Amino acid sequence: DGGITQSPKYLFRKEGQNVTLSCEQNLNHDAMYWYRQDPGQGLRLIYYSQIVNDFQKGDIAEGYSVSREKKESFPLTVTSAQKNPTAFYLCASRWDRNSNQPQHFGDGTRLSIL
Amino acid sequence: GESVGLHLPTLSVQEGDNSIINCAYSNSASDYFIWYKQESGKGPQFIIDIRSNMDKRQGQRVTVLLNKTVKHLSLQIAATQPGDSAVYFCAETGNTGGFKTIFGAGTRLFVKA
Repeated sequence: DGGITQSPKYLFRKEGQNVTLSCEQNLNHDAMYWYRQDPGQGLRLIYYSQIVNDFQKGDIAEGYSVSREKKESFPLTVTSAQKNPTAFYLCASRWDRNSNQPQHFGDGTRLSIL
Repeated sequence: GESVGLHLPTLSVQEGDNSIINCAYSNSASDYFIWYKQESGKGPQFIIDIRSNMDKRQGQRVTVLLNKTVKHLSLQIAATQPGDSAVYFCAETGNTGGFKTIFGAGTRLFVKA
């Protein structure tokens, strides 16, 4: 089945630690996205990538970093500079950033602070 | 739609009744709209979409209505079932700002058996 796989489902971060969230898709989509979801709020865009080796900051990129070395993979690193990392993180993809299409989402990673 | 604060709007309906979930979108330049369903601990699932050149679109048990005059979107679910219990949120996209998608906070739907 085609889809987006996020791992791990739950992640705990110690103070001062960087953690990396995995996102893999086998939909052959060009565009990939990372969102943060907090209770009672809409999804907020962290980073997005239109093609391999290219990515752009979203609305809340501070304290996060990404890479796009392969079309299928778009990992997100939550660095120690992100002072409030506790949230539900969602990865999404779609065929092409420059068109009106729905995004497909993974099932998220819940990050908490130890 | 936009919601402020930690508490989502809630809609409680009896099983078998119809549900109507509303969304006020923010950008008059938006021309593509999507409804998503999100169950607890899972990612959002696409339900139905509509483009701005339409005012109504129907799917299986769901209908989306678009009123561009007042920037309002609604999702109607016919014969609501317990499996419909979830958070529903709308999203809007336009061809300005690089097709950025803006997501509403959502409405929590409870279905009473």
